[in-house]
Amino acid sequence: GAVVSQHPSWVICKSGTSVKIECRSLDFQATTMFWYRQFPKQSLMLMATSNEGSKATYEQGVEKDKFLINHASLTLSTLTVTSAHPEDSSFYICSAREKGTAYNQPQHFGDGTRLSIL
Amino acid sequence: GQNIDQPTEMTATEGAIVQINCTYQTSGFNGLFWYQQHAGEAPTFLSYNVLDGLEEKGRFSSFLSRSKGYSYLLLKELQMKDSASYLCAAPRGGATNKLIFGTGTLLAVQP
Repeated sequence: GAVVSQHPSWVICKSGTSVKIECRSLDFQATTMFWYRQFPKQSLMLMATSNEGSKATYEQGVEKDKFLINHASLTLSTLTVTSAHPEDSSFYICSAREKGTAYNQPQHFGDGTRLSIL
Repeated sequence: GQNIDQPTEMTATEGAIVQINCTYQTSGFNGLFWYQQHAGEAPTFLSYNVLDGLEEKGRFSSFLSRSKGYSYLLLKELQMKDSASYLCAAPRGGATNKLIFGTGTLLAVQP
């Protein structure tokens, strides 16, 4: 089955540092990947849509200069949380849909990255 | 606007049956997904309904009523490992790749 690998799974760092999270589709190509954030006991909130070879589209209220997204290939998207602060601490999850599949096909999720900013 | 509502928490007994409800309001309906998410893990796909009626997959079934804007997930023969959050999700604003998720229902299965 389709596998999405997300790395790292857990990060603890000091306030002010930047953190990069990788999302890879291991056995399929993904022209579109999605980045979600999930706070404790809440559901997934879409942050941005990552499009291969073009700029990401961000949801309302998400700062594009703070959450930098790069989707340089059909199998890799990265999310960089710049100058992270404690309020950025959250569970970040990526997902991908296989190239050529329609919206009614399920997205494949990575295992998530738990980010803790001290 | 678009909105998806689910109960926040439910408790059920091992071996029993539980129904998790989801009501939705979307502009341009294009089906409804159910995902299972264990704590600290990625969501895993359970079902997709686009037509009215019940679809069964082993112990899990999903029902949809488009006229009522209503869906439910039915879990039979509950096992302890079924303790998880169950997320209802729908494509946003028509035929789009973007999903809007409900708040999720945290199901606790007790012995």
